[in-house]
Amino acid sequence: DAGVTQSPTHLIKTRGQHVTLRCSPISGHKSVSWYQQVLGQGPQFIFQYYEKEERGRGNFPDRFSARQFPNYSSELNVNALLLGDSALYLCASSLGQASLTEAFFGQGTRLTVV
Amino acid sequence: AQSVTQLDSQVPVFEEAPVELRCNYSSSVSVYLFWYVQYPNQGLQLLLKYLSGSTLVESINGFEAEFNKSQTSFHLRKPSVHISDTAEYFCAVSNSHGTNAGKSTFGDGTTLTVKP
Repeated sequence: DAGVTQSPTHLIKTRGQHVTLRCSPISGHKSVSWYQQVLGQGPQFIFQYYEKEERGRGNFPDRFSARQFPNYSSELNVNALLLGDSALYLCASSLGQASLTEAFFGQGTRLTVV
Repeated sequence: AQSVTQLDSQVPVFEEAPVELRCNYSSSVSVYLFWYVQYPNQGLQLLLKYLSGSTLVESINGFEAEFNKSQTSFHLRKPSVHISDTAEYFCAVSNSHGTNAGKSTFGDGTTLTVKP
């Protein structure tokens, strides 16, 4: 049974560009949450989607957006990239809305902005 | 608002010694509590969680944590550590219900280094 898969695993972007990160949850899971983990810090909550609707939002600027598709996969979009957006972006899937109670994390996407 | 404070950023310990990683939290509502472990260049793995019931929770690899509501703490302990326990450990909280049930907060992590 496949776990949470994220793509790409690594990418390098230039300041001002746009990026799209993708996440496929575990089969049967309806909730996807996104986190940003800057080096040396804990993950910071960005969004949670449950049943294709946004159910939670962290303190991130409007340059960050996300959506969930009918198959429950999700995309995280970041516009006008800044150097400070360099981080490991983690996706977590869970059955229900309480995002951490049965959450499984992907390996993450390492984004470097130059 | 929620916050999580992991009181030690780094904990060095010798193999087979006991260890405690400390976590305090604050929240205006009832919460669920979690400990996650992260090995280098990997995602997070759930170590154990407190949702309700017994305040002492255990993992399959010998870790345990105790929920102390009066002290708002959820410290992680292991009586005898192994080299393979070397990793980053994160304490996290999430609201147990309500409109923000999906929002979670992590601490900044504790690096556990087990030395031979």
